[in-house]
Amino acid sequence: DAGVTQTPRHEVAEKGQTIILKCEPVSGHNDLFWYRQTKIQGLELLSYFRSKSLMEDGGAFKDRFKAEMLNSSFSTLKIQPTEPKDSAVYLCASRRTGGDAEQFFGPGTRLTVL
Amino acid sequence: QQKVQQSPESLIVPEGGMASLNCTSSDRNVDYFWWYRQHSGKSPKMLMSIFSNGEKEEGRFTVHLNKASLHTSLHIRDSQPSDSALYLCAALASSGSWQLIFGSGTQLTVMP
Repeated sequence: DAGVTQTPRHEVAEKGQTIILKCEPVSGHNDLFWYRQTKIQGLELLSYFRSKSLMEDGGAFKDRFKAEMLNSSFSTLKIQPTEPKDSAVYLCASRRTGGDAEQFFGPGTRLTVL
Repeated sequence: QQKVQQSPESLIVPEGGMASLNCTSSDRNVDYFWWYRQHSGKSPKMLMSIFSNGEKEEGRFTVHLNKASLHTSLHIRDSQPSDSALYLCAALASSGSWQLIFGSGTQLTVMP
């Protein structure tokens, strides 16, 4: 089975631009997560979907970050407008529903905002 | 808000030595604990999970769980340079939001 795929792997944006990151979860997984990871803040949850319904929207990230699940096999994360402090690795993860279900991470997208 | 505390922040052990990492949750409703390993430049990968009191061993890795104290620990014996990585502990409460709450990690360095 294919794992979680993310594109692009690297993205460089100018301040104020709009960028869209893409994620395809593992086939059959109902739960999908978007995280941001930095050395200082660690892993921060941006969004959590269950069966395409938004369960968590990451609170502090609401204003410029919008995740969508267009169908069960594709999700996007839009950052609009980008700021230099958004420079980080963005990770997508998926799992079957259930507390004992392993969560699989994608390879991540490294975003640099100039 | 639930927190997951990990200690130490960083750990250096010699090759062949034992590494011991700790993790505690502040949420009494936590049912599941996970350990993830993240090598530099890579994404986290699940290493071990533990859901019941006691101990679980897989090769050189042993994980303990004490549900009463909400404390889990990961022990790596005969540590290898390839074990050098960020180790993330995560906890999930099935009565809550069903999302994994991650600690900030322990950076392990195994010196040859």
